[in-house]
Amino acid sequence: AQSVAQPEDQVNVAEGNPLTVKCTYSVSGNPYLFWYVQYPNRGLQFLLKYITGDNLVKGSYGFEAEFNKSQTSFHLKKPSALVSDSALYFCAVRVPGGDTGGFKTIFGAGTRLFVKA
Amino acid sequence: SAVISQKPSRDICQRGTSLTIQCQVDSQVTMMFWYRQQPGQSLTLIATANQGSEATYESGFVIDKFPISRPNLTFSTLTVSNMSPEDSSIYLCSVKDRGQSPLHFGNGTRLTVT
Repeated sequence: AQSVAQPEDQVNVAEGNPLTVKCTYSVSGNPYLFWYVQYPNRGLQFLLKYITGDNLVKGSYGFEAEFNKSQTSFHLKKPSALVSDSALYFCAVRVPGGDTGGFKTIFGAGTRLFVKA
Repeated sequence: SAVISQKPSRDICQRGTSLTIQCQVDSQVTMMFWYRQQPGQSLTLIATANQGSEATYESGFVIDKFPISRPNLTFSTLTVSNMSPEDSSIYLCSVKDRGQSPLHFGNGTRLTVT
């Protein structure tokens, strides 16, 4: 079955330190991978995506993610965390579904990031 | 990117009633989806809203309980029928506008069933 996993329910990091939020996937074929962020009482916002090309993808708010095909991972990273980065982060993968030729997006369980001042 | 308006933003409903949630997009989009999210939890796909044909439902979701309409490329509705307290959740509309673009989400409808 095609799936995406976020092994950590919560990540704690001090402000100014680097952060990593982990994601692994299991899909057939080439994966389309995404990271989304959800701030309290707000909708989901797109951060970045990997479709093809360079394994290091840069996104919004200084975040980046590294696609590793051999380890089937797509970890989210930021060199220096901010208190305002505290939020719920979701890894997602696009897989075939819906109408013929369509697709659907399935989400990981989410990782809550706490950045302490 | 597409701007999505979802209504109502929240509602408190009685057991056994139905609620219809509307999703309006400011531009034509190729695909629309409905998700459910318990606060602080992951998103579960309910169905893909297909324009001009019946929605495609995920395992565990059925048309009688969650009828969906999509009359055109900018609008969809999700009805939660014969509600029970277990239906209390956040319901999210999302769209994909073109190519390899990501999903965009509405702000959601927070439903409480008493």
